[in-house]
Amino acid sequence: QITLKESGPPLVRPTQTLTLTCTFSGFSLRTSGVGVGWLRRPPGKALEWLGLIYWDDDKRYSPSLRTRLSITKDTSKNQVVLTMTDMDPVDTASYYCAHWEQRWYFFDHWGPGTLITVSS
Amino acid sequence: QSVLTQPPSASGTPGQRVTISCSGSISNIGDNTVKWYQQLPGSAPRLLMYSTDKRPSGVPDRFSGSKSGSSASLAISGLQSEDEADYFCSSWDDRLNGPVFGGGTRLTV
Repeated sequence: QITLKESGPPLVRPTQTLTLTCTFSGFSLRTSGVGVGWLRRPPGKALEWLGLIYWDDDKRYSPSLRTRLSITKDTSKNQVVLTMTDMDPVDTASYYCAHWEQRWYFFDHWGPGTLITVSS
Repeated sequence: QSVLTQPPSASGTPGQRVTISCSGSISNIGDNTVKWYQQLPGSAPRLLMYSTDKRPSGVPDRFSGSKSGSSASLAISGLQSEDEADYFCSSWDDRLNGPVFGGGTRLTV
């Protein structure tokens, strides 16, 4: 059974760096064709893809956020870390990590999400 | 502004059939398969449809998907109150080299 869970500080000050950790079980990021993605949904707005890290450590980022994002993995701990710099109140959103299946190009298992508020 | 275009809202009465549209371009829907995600209030998104018209296990066959050119549709027949949720279409975009999403459609039953 695949599970994922996001963790991080609920409140971030403007200009600070956000660090979120996704801890997962039920799969390995050493397995070919597997990845972990990060997505977010601001209150009342649409779902937005942020980035993706693959089993082979290849990474993809949303072009609009590429300069602010970094995704790394710790395969031994079953964790993926998202770093987003220069946070702004518009970045207030629920942040999700999700299991990516390269064969079908979909996110088939999602974490419950964590609400991050950016405010001074 | 989302890459894929969906109507912001849709509605129906129990038992009815509703359709939600999703419009894209050749670089995404036109050349790749479509996924649909359902997000119930207070919950994480859930994969509802993949490869345009395939349902993951556990998704009732009241849900169906289709695609024509660079547009796709999700149909829900025999509408139930528990179908009230936000629905997002998604596809891989060859130009952006990542998954793209629609703005979401809030379905009211």
